[in-house]
Amino acid sequence: QKEVEQDPGPLSVPEGAIVSLNCTYSNSAFQYFMWYRQYSRKGPELLMYTYSSGNKEDGRFTAQVDKSSKYISLFIRDSQPSDSATYLCAYNFNKFYFGSGTKLNVKP
Amino acid sequence: DTGVSQNPRHKITKRGQNVTFRCDPISEHNRLYWYRQTLGQGPEFLTYFQNEAQLEKSRLLSDRFSAERPKGSFSTLEIQRTEQGDSAMYLCASSRDRGMNTGELFFGEGSRLTVL
Repeated sequence: QKEVEQDPGPLSVPEGAIVSLNCTYSNSAFQYFMWYRQYSRKGPELLMYTYSSGNKEDGRFTAQVDKSSKYISLFIRDSQPSDSATYLCAYNFNKFYFGSGTKLNVKP
Repeated sequence: DTGVSQNPRHKITKRGQNVTFRCDPISEHNRLYWYRQTLGQGPEFLTYFQNEAQLEKSRLLSDRFSAERPKGSFSTLEIQRTEQGDSAMYLCASSRDRGMNTGELFFGEGSRLTVL
């Protein structure tokens, strides 16, 4: 079992939709979580990070951690075609570990 | 822009040749990481440095791979006797170590290797 699991998608939604991206993790000791966005043939860019449980909001993006179920989520409100990318969840435990990424396509 | 810089961006080589990639991290970052990414997968950890010390190497890293970070500044990743299975994107990232499990990781644009 991989330490962080992520549905690879692809996920296709119409412009303006609310998008929910999810990951599950295995080790309850993990506390520091991140979401990265990666456009095709580019390096990942840090989108948001959260510590422990709860929500964090930044514009149209909300990151949520549910430690009881070992579940992390990224919500995108009013999705735009420019949000079309692969989204990677990650955590930091001595070093950084990444999920396999979910490919999102937002159709105009 | 003082982000992470990687060179070359794309390298095409024949099987059996040696290749070297260079990474210049964000200047105040003391940690530097190398990852490998193949199509449809997330970045896989290869190795990381704290300053000039190489603290960990993945078991994925065969003896043909070597990484250095002299003087704790830029880093090089060398692959000797390349094989077609080495074809991938090699990503460098850096962070400022603020403690055990904190710190944000910033990536470069990657060096894409194609082995013919």
